[in-house]
Amino acid sequence: NAGVTQTPKFQVLKTGQSMTLQCAQDMNHEYMSWYRQDPGMGLRLIHYSVGAGITDQGEVPNGYNVSRSTTEDFPLRLLSAAPSQTSVYFCASSYRQAPGQFFGPGTRLTVL
Amino acid sequence: GNSVTQMEGPVTLSEEAFLTINCTYTATGYPSLFWYVQYPGEGLQLLLKATKADDKGSNKGFEATYRKETTSFHLEKGSVQVSDSAVYFCALLLNFGNEKLTFGTGTRLTIIP
Repeated sequence: NAGVTQTPKFQVLKTGQSMTLQCAQDMNHEYMSWYRQDPGMGLRLIHYSVGAGITDQGEVPNGYNVSRSTTEDFPLRLLSAAPSQTSVYFCASSYRQAPGQFFGPGTRLTVL
Repeated sequence: GNSVTQMEGPVTLSEEAFLTINCTYTATGYPSLFWYVQYPGEGLQLLLKATKADDKGSNKGFEATYRKETTSFHLEKGSVQVSDSAVYFCALLLNFGNEKLTFGTGTRLTIIP
């Protein structure tokens, strides 16, 4: 198993540009989620999904969209990037009955 | 609301020293508790967990006991190694089944030879 994979590893955007961060898992996990990690603030939940076709907002959802058309994929879209979205983004997945998550390696995003 | 408070870092210890990283929580119910570790340039890895009061989670020589009376889940290791240098995150999961983790701010640990 590849586990949780994320692409790209690094990305630089200009303010106003859009992009999609990709996340995929091959463990047939129901739950997938996106976090952002900022210095001194730990990880904060952006969006999560409890299964294909179902998504919900987390703690800091503004400026981000998600969709879950398949069990395996959970892309995160930035429609109009802002410097405040400069962060490291982590995708995570897990089984419904096994709390504690598998994390991807992260995407470091810089918005100029 | 739910929150996790970790001891401020960074923490610097000599190899073979005893480690304690404090973690306390506030929750409206009975959470599951976790410690995650993040090595430089990597994602988070689940280190250990405990799902009910008095449970002890353990892994790789690390231990933490779920103390409901003090709302704490302190991480301990008897003899640290240079390879333990990393950032450690305490987290809680309140609503079993929707996987909404609440994280502490993290504690950076550096072990010197």
